[in-house]
Amino acid sequence: EPEVTQTPSHQVTQMGQEVILRCVPISNHLYFYWYRQILGQKVEFLVSFYNNEISEKSEIFDDQFSVERPDGSNFTLKIRSTKLEDSAMYFCASSPGTPLSLQPQHFGDGTRLSIL
Amino acid sequence: GESVGLHLPTLSVQEGDNSIINCAYSNSASDYFIWYKQESGKGPQFIIDIRSNMDKRQGQRVTVLLNKTVKHLSLQIAATQPGDSAVYFCACSWTGNTPLVFGKGTRLSVIA
Repeated sequence: EPEVTQTPSHQVTQMGQEVILRCVPISNHLYFYWYRQILGQKVEFLVSFYNNEISEKSEIFDDQFSVERPDGSNFTLKIRSTKLEDSAMYFCASSPGTPLSLQPQHFGDGTRLSIL
Repeated sequence: GESVGLHLPTLSVQEGDNSIINCAYSNSASDYFIWYKQESGKGPQFIIDIRSNMDKRQGQRVTVLLNKTVKHLSLQIAATQPGDSAVYFCACSWTGNTPLVFGKGTRLSVIA
């Protein structure tokens, strides 16, 4: 069964450094997402991406964050200058279909980001 | 705003019994509801979904019930097995491609 893959599985970074989290969504999917989950808390939406542009973003997704689809398969999340509070699991997800279709988002296994 | 909450943070059931996990949501405009299972170290795994024009949907050993009147969602797992032990999240959105709002999760522990 096709799956969303994320790399690396664990990233340790010094505060203030830039970090790029990588995702390969399911190949025929059109919508891509980033979510994060701080330890012990619920999953929170960051940003969605469709047709090569951001379609929605949350308050968490400030100017320090950016997303990119550099080629036909990868989808990346960049944090420009990491803060301690950016430590979390970051999940990539993708979903198929047209804007109003009701099909589930499929998640990768996440990247654990630890900021020191 | 929209919020999703879980009635119980933990649930312990005997192997072979049925499990019921509950969820409440606040935004009546939500049109799409999903249950995810999250095992330790893994991402949320899709279990079952339901649209707002339905009140029940069944899968393999799982049933989702939706009560729009009281904005309540439940997941029923029949004949619970040790492999069902995980954290279960409900999530809702306006459509399948809009941001999901997740609940805090219920940890299901199956006692052998």
